[in-house]
Amino acid sequence: KQEVTQIPAALSVPEGENLVLNCSFTDSAIYNLQWFRQDPGKGLTSLLLIQSSQREQTSGRLNASLDKSSGRSTLYIAASQPGDSATYLCAVKASNTGKLIFGQGTTLQVKP
Amino acid sequence: AAGVIQSPRHLIKEKRETATLKCYPIPRHDTVYWYQQGPGQDPQFLISFYEKMQSDKGSIPDRFSAQQFSDYHSELNMSSLELGDSALYFCASSSTGHAATEAFFGQGTRLTVV
Repeated sequence: KQEVTQIPAALSVPEGENLVLNCSFTDSAIYNLQWFRQDPGKGLTSLLLIQSSQREQTSGRLNASLDKSSGRSTLYIAASQPGDSATYLCAVKASNTGKLIFGQGTTLQVKP
Repeated sequence: AAGVIQSPRHLIKEKRETATLKCYPIPRHDTVYWYQQGPGQDPQFLISFYEKMQSDKGSIPDRFSAQQFSDYHSELNMSSLELGDSALYFCASSSTGHAATEAFFGQGTRLTVV
């Protein structure tokens, strides 16, 4: 059974720092991995999608990497800003029916 | 660009009542997924449909049922509501039913059972 774990559960950093969020999954047979952002009580905003054949994806200050063989992904946020404060969720697509299995999320607070 | 539309955005029901949540996928998307996110929890997969047929089933209670209609919109019907059903319900859609395509999520329906 696929399990997804995110470390740390919570993170507080001063504005301007670069930071890394970690995601690990137990079964390397995945189709893709998505990183999402969720503001409190709000919907899921897709940040980056990495296909199983890819090693990384970049969007602005965000860079996500994927090491499928070791079951790990990282989300790198450069020059963090208070507006980056949110919960970040990773999810793997491990079934040919397309369902996503989510990690518990990392709640990020960026202090001004 | 059109996104996934969910209605209603908020819903308050009493215990033992029935609720219906609706999801309108992105145009030309043929696959719909339903997820439940309890307070402080990660989203949990409930059920999915591809081309109007159920394609996968997760931890969906027997009190819940869902279907996808000819126009590809989907409805989640929840009966005999319990306090523990209070959660955010998300719908997502993707194209072609292929596992490698990106899932796009709606803004969710917040259900409160009192």
